[in-house]
Amino acid sequence: DAGVIQSPRHEVTEMGQEVTLRCKPISGHDYLFWYRQTMMRGLELLIYFNNNVPIDDSGMPEDRFSAKMPNASFSTLKIQPSEPRDSAVYFCASSLVGSSTDTQYFGPGTRLTVL
Amino acid sequence: LAKTTQPISMDSYEGQEVNITCSHNNIATNDYITWYQQFPSQGPRFIIQGYKTKVTNEVASLFIPADRKSSTLSLPRVSLSDTAVYYCLVGPRMNTGFQKLVFGTGTRLLVSP
Repeated sequence: DAGVIQSPRHEVTEMGQEVTLRCKPISGHDYLFWYRQTMMRGLELLIYFNNNVPIDDSGMPEDRFSAKMPNASFSTLKIQPSEPRDSAVYFCASSLVGSSTDTQYFGPGTRLTVL
Repeated sequence: LAKTTQPISMDSYEGQEVNITCSHNNIATNDYITWYQQFPSQGPRFIIQGYKTKVTNEVASLFIPADRKSSTLSLPRVSLSDTAVYYCLVGPRMNTGFQKLVFGTGTRLLVSP
């Protein structure tokens, strides 16, 4: 398996622009997570899905952030409008409940810079 | 969620054994202890998970005393490539009711030649 795939790997945009981050989880996994990592706040869980359904989005910072999972193999995290404080590395992870260790498999991340 | 406390940083030399201890005094009965490793510019990677006593895999060992209020990740004979941040997480297994994993600040391990 190719692991969790994220695109783009790097994104530079200007304040006010819409940003869409994409994630393809590992095939067969039933949980998908979006995290954000910054030096100040560390690794934070933004939202997670179970079987394509959003379960908990309490970590989403504000209404400018939205996430969707239209099918089991694709998810997006959208920021509209983007702000400089959104600059961070965004990770997507997937997991299979019932596996022997509950491992979350992380993607390589998208480094977002908002100017 | 059980709060965890681990050292901010540790230094070691190649070939040494490294032990990173994590405190989790309010661990719950159904909580497991999981360790992740994160290299610069990469996402965290699962290392090991345990409930009690000792767990060993090809990468590390995890020692958990009977009271489970702490745990120790042991990395045998570290190399330069083990330089990374190590996170200790405590929480129930996902099939018993998922709770958010809190990664905290982790322990930054620096391995020198």
